[in-house]
Amino acid sequence: GQQLNQSPQSMFIQEGEDVSMNCTSSSIFNTWLWYKQDPGEGPVLLIALYKAGELTSNGRLTAQFGITRKDSFLNISASIPSDVGIYFCAGGGTSYGKLTFGQGTILTVHP
Amino acid sequence: SAVISQKPSRDICQRGTSLTIQCQVDSQVTMMFWYRQQPGQSLTLIATANQGSEATYESGFVIDKFPISRPNLTFSTLTVSNMSPEDSSIYLCSVVTDTYEQYFGPGTRLTVT
Repeated sequence: GQQLNQSPQSMFIQEGEDVSMNCTSSSIFNTWLWYKQDPGEGPVLLIALYKAGELTSNGRLTAQFGITRKDSFLNISASIPSDVGIYFCAGGGTSYGKLTFGQGTILTVHP
Repeated sequence: SAVISQKPSRDICQRGTSLTIQCQVDSQVTMMFWYRQQPGQSLTLIATANQGSEATYESGFVIDKFPISRPNLTFSTLTVSNMSPEDSSIYLCSVVTDTYEQYFGPGTRLTVT
């Protein structure tokens, strides 16, 4: 089946630093979504991307749908302590709702 | 967006028993799904909950083990049957809205002893 390679697996940064994470796949996806999951919670949708090359921002977050449709990245600018959590990328195929998830990036922000 | 609630939020069950998880959405949605997140892992799709017809299961998941009901456009249940410790996971309900955004519920944390 389809697999996503998400990197890095974990990041330890200082408050105020910028963060970048990405996902790559050997398969083409029609949508890319980025989620954040806090301990004991379900994933929260951060950004959804629907077109190759699309660049979308949500506050301090920016994500792009790769032009080849096989990759996506998420940037977080000026990190703050509440950015701590696990970030997941997810790729969608021709059927909405059927997502393939990356393995997650664990983000730790030191004050 | 969509607001999704799940019941129970967590449970501890004995092996061999079954647990039914409920998912309620605050608006009508066409597409509803069930995912599993094993400890420390990512999310895996179990099945698509189809309103008025049998659920569509992904490879590795079968109806006898994970029966699903979808009586209307705002509600679904997932049953984890004849549980074993390997079924200990977080089970998450998910919906796709009319704007094609996908949201997840808070999850049901199941521990099987």
